[in-house]
Amino acid sequence: SQQGEEDPQALSIQEGENATMNCSYKTSINNLQWYRQNSGRGLVHLILIRSNEREKHSGRLRVTLDTSKKSSSLLITASRAADTASYFCATDVIYNTDKLIFGTGTRLQVFP
Amino acid sequence: DGGITQSPKYLFRKEGQNVTLSCEQNLNHDAMYWYRQDPGQGLRLIYYSQIVNDFQKGDIAEGYSVSREKKESFPLTVTSAQKNPTAFYLCASSIWDSNYGYTFGSGTRLTVV
Repeated sequence: SQQGEEDPQALSIQEGENATMNCSYKTSINNLQWYRQNSGRGLVHLILIRSNEREKHSGRLRVTLDTSKKSSSLLITASRAADTASYFCATDVIYNTDKLIFGTGTRLQVFP
Repeated sequence: DGGITQSPKYLFRKEGQNVTLSCEQNLNHDAMYWYRQDPGQGLRLIYYSQIVNDFQKGDIAEGYSVSREKKESFPLTVTSAQKNPTAFYLCASSIWDSNYGYTFGSGTRLTVV
């Protein structure tokens, strides 16, 4: 079962621009996590935001969480060609905390 | 360096054959997971294990089997009962605390020929 849905499915921008990806989910969560996947590779954990947090920063990444709307956004500032990848949100669902449920992903292309 | 290793990177299988994908971690993580990823799609959970000698079915366990005889190892067998096995398989591990993320292997691409 897919808990998260990312929007947009694909995004193309120029280097230096900001990239924003959104994630919506269905049930109450303990935390929400964002991962990056380069083509043909495994996923890399980027950032985790807990349900009682509203915003979190890590380098050029900014994540927000709105539990009332069951949504999160990932902002990558001053994007680089190396940011080209797929980005997935994953939710740790309350009362079902022994596994993460991943969304469908946003494919980001950053042109030099 | 600590990490999680999947092998082989590419695997070809004839229809009707079973095949086993390897996943080994030296992170001392308690939990391990197997996900399947189809082109352009998200990850779907096949099986997971929180402790040695115990594992649970995920959303798409039919046609797959696993074992967890050692903390470090969580092999996945794709059986002939799996009707559409061609996919990218990802193994992950984590500590037993939901406030930490998963560490993923680099994946095995299985193709049925």
